[in-house]
Amino acid sequence: EVELVESGGGLVKPGGSLRLSCAASGFIFSANTMIWVRQAPGKGLEWVSSIRGSNNYRYYADSVKGRFAISRDNTDNSLYLQMNSLRADDTGLYYCARYDDYVNIDYWGQGTLVTVSS
Amino acid sequence: EIVLTQTPATLSLSPGERATLSCRASQSVSSHLAWYQQKPGQAPRLLIYDASNRAAGIPVRFSGSGSGTDFTLTISSLEPEDFAVYYCQQGSNWPPLTFGGGTKVEIK
Repeated sequence: EVELVESGGGLVKPGGSLRLSCAASGFIFSANTMIWVRQAPGKGLEWVSSIRGSNNYRYYADSVKGRFAISRDNTDNSLYLQMNSLRADDTGLYYCARYDDYVNIDYWGQGTLVTVSS
Repeated sequence: EIVLTQTPATLSLSPGERATLSCRASQSVSSHLAWYQQKPGQAPRLLIYDASNRAAGIPVRFSGSGSGTDFTLTISSLEPEDFAVYYCQQGSNWPPLTFGGGTKVEIK
């Protein structure tokens, strides 16, 4: 059974940093593209970043480029999102998810909440 | 960037009625469109991929159609558990992956 479990969210002041983690199980992690999607309170879904399984190519939304860094550790099936220079509009629930070029986003974690506030 | 526009924003229907949700892309995405359902306090769930293919375990009352720029998600007869928010998402030309703004299906 596929499982994605996020952690690392919390309350941080503007300008601060957080590192999110996602523990994956139940599938061949190294072979899959993994993504982060966020959802501001009461709002829709926004893609944040992706990392390919085959070549580690990384992609970012313009809103986070230069501030966030996605990475993965295929030895322990973990996905990470290093978030720096956080702003109030980064507040939201951050989902880790598996992406497939044909099926799209087929598995989601339950999310970890990031709150940026002074 | 491909922009996805979902209409209507809110759909008020009764159980047993048919729901028709629309998603329009700013440029062709071929058939590379997916639909997700999200209930309060839950992560989104994949319903439809490649415009018309039901994901594993999704009831047959959910169907998707369309190609190019115009897509439809149809729920043939609403069950109580179907009242939720629905999002479309394109995977044709990314980055960025983009989502529509969502359609809320509420009980009338």
